[in-house]
Amino acid sequence: KNEVEQSPQNLTAQEGEFITINCSYSVGISALHWLQQHPGGGIVSLFMLSSGKKKHGRLIATINIQEKHSSLHITASHPRDSAVYICAVLYNTDKLIFGTGTRLQVFP
Amino acid sequence: EPEVTQTPSHQVTQMGQEVILRCVPISNHLYFYWYRQILGQKVEFLVSFYNNEISEKSEIFDDQFSVERPDGSNFTLKIRSTKLEDSAMYFCASSDKRELSQYFGPGTRLTVL
Repeated sequence: KNEVEQSPQNLTAQEGEFITINCSYSVGISALHWLQQHPGGGIVSLFMLSSGKKKHGRLIATINIQEKHSSLHITASHPRDSAVYICAVLYNTDKLIFGTGTRLQVFP
Repeated sequence: EPEVTQTPSHQVTQMGQEVILRCVPISNHLYFYWYRQILGQKVEFLVSFYNNEISEKSEIFDDQFSVERPDGSNFTLKIRSTKLEDSAMYFCASSDKRELSQYFGPGTRLTVL
């Protein structure tokens, strides 16, 4: 069964801390998405990657295809980073399979 | 920056009624998607649409659901006879190419009473 697992489920941090959220999947994929969902419910696509590493501002996403694992890192975290971060994978279909999300709270 | 829009933002309906959720994807995008998220649960894929036809659908997307691109700009999800368990946030998304990032709309919260 194609599963996507994220850890941790909940994460609290102090402003300025380095944060890592992990995602594992069970079989080979064609691409992996990292998404951000704010308390109001809206979803923003942060990254889509199929290999290596991508960086955007304070966000870095990496993927290890052999280990079927991806990480999302946030450097110098800020309270406005508080959100749910979701990993979603695309197998060789149009169907995105979503993880359950990691709820991040960053306190000042 | 172009964005996906959805209307209405919140729809309340009685069980058994038909609802149509509307989406305007980004104008040059070719791939369109509907997802739903029941409160407290993860996002689930419903259907993908390309070249005026469904390219893939999930087991959730049964005969009560249909999608349409009626006029080249709107992309709609119709639920023919709503059930209580259809209450959820429904997200539309679009992408330029299948292998590129999907852009999500803000969602429509559907409440079935």
